Amino acid sequence: EIVLTQSPATLSLSPGERATLSCRASQSVSVYLAWYQQRPGQAPRLLIYDATNRATGIPARFSGSGSGTDFTLTISSLEPEDFAVYYCQQRSIWPPYTFGQGTKLEI
Amino acid sequence: MYLVESGGGLVQPGGSLRLSCAASGFTFSSYWMSWVRQAPGRGLEWVASIKQGGSQKYYVDSVKGRFTVSRDDAEKSLFLQMNSLTADDTAMYYCARAGMFRGLWDYWGQGALVTVSS
Repeated sequence: EIVLTQSPATLSLSPGERATLSCRASQSVSVYLAWYQQRPGQAPRLLIYDATNRATGIPARFSGSGSGTDFTLTISSLEPEDFAVYYCQQRSIWPPYTFGQGTKLEI
Repeated sequence: MYLVESGGGLVQPGGSLRLSCAASGFTFSSYWMSWVRQAPGRGLEWVASIKQGGSQKYYVDSVKGRFTVSRDDAEKSLFLQMNSLTADDTAMYYCARAGMFRGLWDYWGQGALVTVSS
């Protein structure tokens, strides 16, 4: 089973600042890494797939990078609605599909 | 495009529950579908996936032999039969569509809460 480790657990920033979230895989997942956003009381929302591709309707301030074992989600300038929990997820080696433990982005 | 879960509730340890997910707004029969759960205050955990037509099914180890995923493409519905429930199964259960790829979920329902407690 591939373990995904996200860092930091909590990131405290202000609107307008740049956010950088990390996800490290226990073995290579190639580019098959996705990022999801989950706001309180809501279902997850797909942001980025295959490491670098924005999902439909996702603003350009969200970008993803990386391959192999190290990945990054960057939010270039934080909007108030971006404060949420972010999860990475791999689909390279399955079952099981696995998620990271999440990074909480707080104001 | 909607996914609406139902069937959640309170059940005693050792009991059973069947979740349903009604889909609308897309060609249900063309997509892999999955269940993903989230224990209170915890992260996301993939539970099960089922191929178009139901010919392939996959489960996380912790539910194998206890949970069964199924689908009715004519009724545009996804199901999760959960047996021998334990407190560790307490979670919000999300129905999710695998859009472009079978392990990539582009649409999610709002979830059904399952609480296992005596």
